[in-house]
Amino acid sequence: ILNVEQSPQSLHVQEGDSTNFTCSFPSSNFYALHWYRWETAKSPEALFVMTLNGDEKKKGRISATLNTKEGYSYLYIKGSQPEDSATYLCAPNTGNQFYFGTGTSLTVIP
Amino acid sequence: ETGVTQTPRHLVMGMTNKKSLKCEQHLGHNAMYWYKQSAKKPLELMFVYNFKEQTENNSVPSRFSPECPNSSHLFLHLHTLQPEDSALYLCASSQVSAARLSYEQYFGPGTRLTVT
Repeated sequence: ILNVEQSPQSLHVQEGDSTNFTCSFPSSNFYALHWYRWETAKSPEALFVMTLNGDEKKKGRISATLNTKEGYSYLYIKGSQPEDSATYLCAPNTGNQFYFGTGTSLTVIP
Repeated sequence: ETGVTQTPRHLVMGMTNKKSLKCEQHLGHNAMYWYKQSAKKPLELMFVYNFKEQTENNSVPSRFSPECPNSSHLFLHLHTLQPEDSALYLCASSQVSAARLSYEQYFGPGTRLTVT
């Protein structure tokens, strides 16, 4: 079992603010790091999958970086919008095993 | 719409009942998963099937019994559950490489289970 920690647990930001969250995990025995967005009453939705140290992925205003040597990933949201309100989950995976963190709950205040 | 459907969406059952949860994926994936989401806890992986073979069983009690008749369908059979089994049960699918490494997962909407 991998211990995955996400911080902060929750976050309230004003519309237009930029924000970032952290995912920490043991750096050994690692294949990929996944980020998911989970909106209320919907299914978790895959945002990014990263495998290489130094990977950086971007989708619109959201981007993520990966440091496998020290075991962390950052998720950035630029210019937050109310529709970004969701819980953001990270999950390192080894083979078939996915180890989810408890998530960061983001609320964007209009 | 993620391409993964689950039925029923809500289920209330007594501790002596037997019920089944159904999941179907329309994405052509070769792996399917059952997760449990309890309040204030991370998503917990319960079972994994690759190419219809169960490859992971994360110490799940025997009152939960999975079945994967083909690569598109996954069931979770429930019997003599306990109130602490009340949770959201999510199904997911993904493509798995020949080296058994998984790409991103696609989740269904979940079944909200209440055990009385």
